Amino acid sequence: ETGVTQSPTHLIKTRGQQVTLRCSSQSGHNTVSWYQQALGQGPQFIFQYYREEENGRGNFPPRFSGLQFPNYSSELNVNALELDDSALYLCASSYGFKGTSGKWTDTQYFGPGTRLTVL
Amino acid sequence: AQSVTQLDSQVPVFEEAPVELRCNYSSSVSVYLFWYVQYPNQGLQLLLKYLSGSTLVESINGFEAEFNKSQTSFHLRKPSVHISDTAEYFCAVKNSGYALNFGKGTSLLVTP
Repeated sequence: ETGVTQSPTHLIKTRGQQVTLRCSSQSGHNTVSWYQQALGQGPQFIFQYYREEENGRGNFPPRFSGLQFPNYSSELNVNALELDDSALYLCASSYGFKGTSGKWTDTQYFGPGTRLTVL
Repeated sequence: AQSVTQLDSQVPVFEEAPVELRCNYSSSVSVYLFWYVQYPNQGLQLLLKYLSGSTLVESINGFEAEFNKSQTSFHLRKPSVHISDTAEYFCAVKNSGYALNFGKGTSLLVTP
């Protein structure tokens, strides 16, 4: 069973450019979540995809967008890069479902991350 | 709304000493609770989780955490730390939503 993988490992872009980050989810998982971790901070939730649709979104502007593919892998796209977008971007995969209480239940397993530097 | 407070940004400790990393959360509804560990230049690894049932949960490498609903806490403990436990530790909370809400992290530094 393979774990969560992300590509590329590192990336350097200039302000105003666009970037695409990729994530392959763990075998058997149906949900992918993306987080941004600035230096010295805890990860911040960007959004989550379940069955190819956005399941929930954090406080990030629309220039952050994503996709989930039929094999449950995912992409994070960021347009019009800003200096503050420099961070570690983490992908997490999970098997998500609504329990009998109606509450969304999943345990998220993280990939190694992509370090994005915007100059 | 919910938030997570990790009360200590850094915890220095000697090898083989016990350690406690504190985590408090605020939430008006029932929650799921997690501890993740991050080694330098790596992603997050799940250490342990509380979803329901027994309030004391354990990891395979000797860590344990206890969910205390009245004190809204989920402190992480280990009776005897190793040099290899040096890392950043993150507490995270999730209620009925989809997002993990993380604390700012606690840096555990174990020295000989």
